[in-house]
Amino acid sequence: QSALTQPASVSGSPGQSITISCTGTSSDFGSYNLVSWYQQYSGKAPKLIIYEVNKRPSGVSNRFSGSKSGNTASLTISGLQAEDEADYYCCSYAGSITWVFGGGTKLTVL
Amino acid sequence: QVQLQESGPGLVKPPETLSLTCTVSGGSISNYDWSWIRQPPGKGLAWIAYISHSGSTKYNPSLKSRATISVDTSKNHFSLTLNSVTAADTAMYYCVRVGGSPPVHAFDIWGQGTMVTVSA
Repeated sequence: QSALTQPASVSGSPGQSITISCTGTSSDFGSYNLVSWYQQYSGKAPKLIIYEVNKRPSGVSNRFSGSKSGNTASLTISGLQAEDEADYYCCSYAGSITWVFGGGTKLTVL
Repeated sequence: QVQLQESGPGLVKPPETLSLTCTVSGGSISNYDWSWIRQPPGKGLAWIAYISHSGSTKYNPSLKSRATISVDTSKNHFSLTLNSVTAADTAMYYCVRVGGSPPVHAFDIWGQGTMVTVSA
């Protein structure tokens, strides 16, 4: 089980949109649409922001959206705000009750 | 709402056993599935172990059978033991709830985490 591949860092200016990719193999994602994304501020616990590829938990801004095509999932943040500066992790259910995370992406708001 | 709180020793000597407990408040532990996730300093997240509401378990193969997850419904808490620890097991350990339906197979509630350092 290897970690999913994410860019180490991305950046954008306030108001812009950014996309973070998350690439794996067919065995990582399987035939499931069970990709989730987590936001983690420095020194804090992660928070679920996207589940089942493109669904948002209650209370999460609609500026966050997810998608998946083949073996690549993506998180898009639109209307970038200073408060979005954090680390972001993708995670996929890999079957047989196992999960694999991405290495994480540091988002910098310029 | 459901809240999770990890507890355990902050320092463990190699090759001893690491033992952590996660106390669930605001809801019954029997209604959900649970996991442990860890994060070495400056690194990414890694799923460690899972236990269902019915007690079935699953582990990350990379731990090579060193991990054990269990539930004590009478105390509304679940636990993780990791034996033969090394410095590579130094990490922030999070207990998490595995979402029901929905969110399916996502970790929807997290504890604040407990830092464990493995050092002689």
